[in-house]
Amino acid sequence: GNSVTQMQGQVTLSEEEFLFINCTYSTTGYPTLFWYVQYPGEGPQLLLKVTTANNKGSSRGFEATYDKGTTSFHLQKASVQESDSAVYYCVLGERGSALGRLHFGAGTQLIVIP
Amino acid sequence: EAAVTQSPRSKVAVTGGKVTLSCHQTNNHDYMYWYRQDTGHGLRLIHYSYVADSTEKGDIPDGYKASRPSQENFSLILELASLSQTAVYFCASSDGGGQNYAEQFFGPGTRLTVL
Repeated sequence: GNSVTQMQGQVTLSEEEFLFINCTYSTTGYPTLFWYVQYPGEGPQLLLKVTTANNKGSSRGFEATYDKGTTSFHLQKASVQESDSAVYYCVLGERGSALGRLHFGAGTQLIVIP
Repeated sequence: EAAVTQSPRSKVAVTGGKVTLSCHQTNNHDYMYWYRQDTGHGLRLIHYSYVADSTEKGDIPDGYKASRPSQENFSLILELASLSQTAVYFCASSDGGGQNYAEQFFGPGTRLTVL
């Protein structure tokens, strides 16, 4: 079936430190993968999307690359700011779904200390 | 102006009572979704709809009904609320999926507490 695993429940960093959030997925064929971000008191919003056509995506200083061999999809940022504090969800698009079905990981809470 | 709105933003309900959560979107999207968010589980799909007057079951539909009276409105109904349904509920809309996997736009959420 389709599933996403995020093992890091919480990550705490100081400003300007490097961010790396780990994600692995399970699906058949070639996936479309997303990172959604949820700020306090808001709903999730799309951060970036990666398809088999490009293998890599970037937005707002964040980068993500997926590796089909290891079924991993990691999010990274070179230098975090306090404003990056949020919950980050690794999300898998269900293959063949005309209805846009998405499968969310458990989320990783990022806390950035100024 | 927010394109997906939810009401109420928070609600306290009694066990066994009926609860209706409402969602309204101005994105002109055909697809709408209801999710629940629980700590440690991320977001899980309850019901979705791709056209007015039709709804489909998601991954965790038990104990929930949905209603889509128009393209803009999508409701989630708990006929007999239970303690286990305490959670934050999110509504979302999109243009759909296919090979492009259109972005889903989420509302601000409704925090439901069942006592």
